[in-house]
Amino acid sequence: DVVMTQSPLSLPVTPGEPASISCRSSQSLLRSAGYSYLDWYVQKPGQSPQLLIYLVSNRASGVPDRFSGSGSGTDFTLKISRVEAEDVGIYYCMQDLETPFTFGGGTKVEIK
Amino acid sequence: QITLKESGPPLVKPTQTLTLTCTFSGFSLSTSGEGVNWIRQPPGKALEWLALIYWNDDKRYSPSLQSRLTITKDSSKNQVVLTMTNMDPVDTATYYCIHRKYGGALDYWGQGILVTVSS
Repeated sequence: DVVMTQSPLSLPVTPGEPASISCRSSQSLLRSAGYSYLDWYVQKPGQSPQLLIYLVSNRASGVPDRFSGSGSGTDFTLKISRVEAEDVGIYYCMQDLETPFTFGGGTKVEIK
Repeated sequence: QITLKESGPPLVKPTQTLTLTCTFSGFSLSTSGEGVNWIRQPPGKALEWLALIYWNDDKRYSPSLQSRLTITKDSSKNQVVLTMTNMDPVDTATYYCIHRKYGGALDYWGQGILVTVSS
């Protein structure tokens, strides 16, 4: 199985400040077509997870442009340019290059 | 608009078989490329992928649970069923069904159903 490792575990942030979450995979997620099969999801309190970013850097429908994803191969980053109160939740990276799809352990973003 | 909803028993006893149904709308599992996944989340823990089924009846399972899982579809009813045998208290979790096109992301999630395994 592809192991996904996220850091940090917890991320206290001040509203208006940037935030960054790292995700590493145990093997390259790059497919021959040039895409890396890495997605980001957020689970807000009491809700189902929801898609945030797909294929490393593509924002899902309705996702604000303060969210951005980058990386390739085995190292990926989710950035929030200016954190807002509504961004609190647990952020997960996931690889769907191959089954079993695997998730990182999650990063809890909370407001200071 | 795609929606999915999980249904099943909220409580099962150890050793019993769990049967969960995902009823969906807004897409058809008869259409090329369409698929449904199951993922679970134990209380306070991370997400764990369980299984998927595609329009062409291609099925994939988590290797660690493969012997206990069966996923089937009924395209005429817009339903996907997941069965898990020999339930144990460690299987207590919220179970989600999710839409995913072949090669795509988990883009539409059900609300989830909490299943507790206890005698």
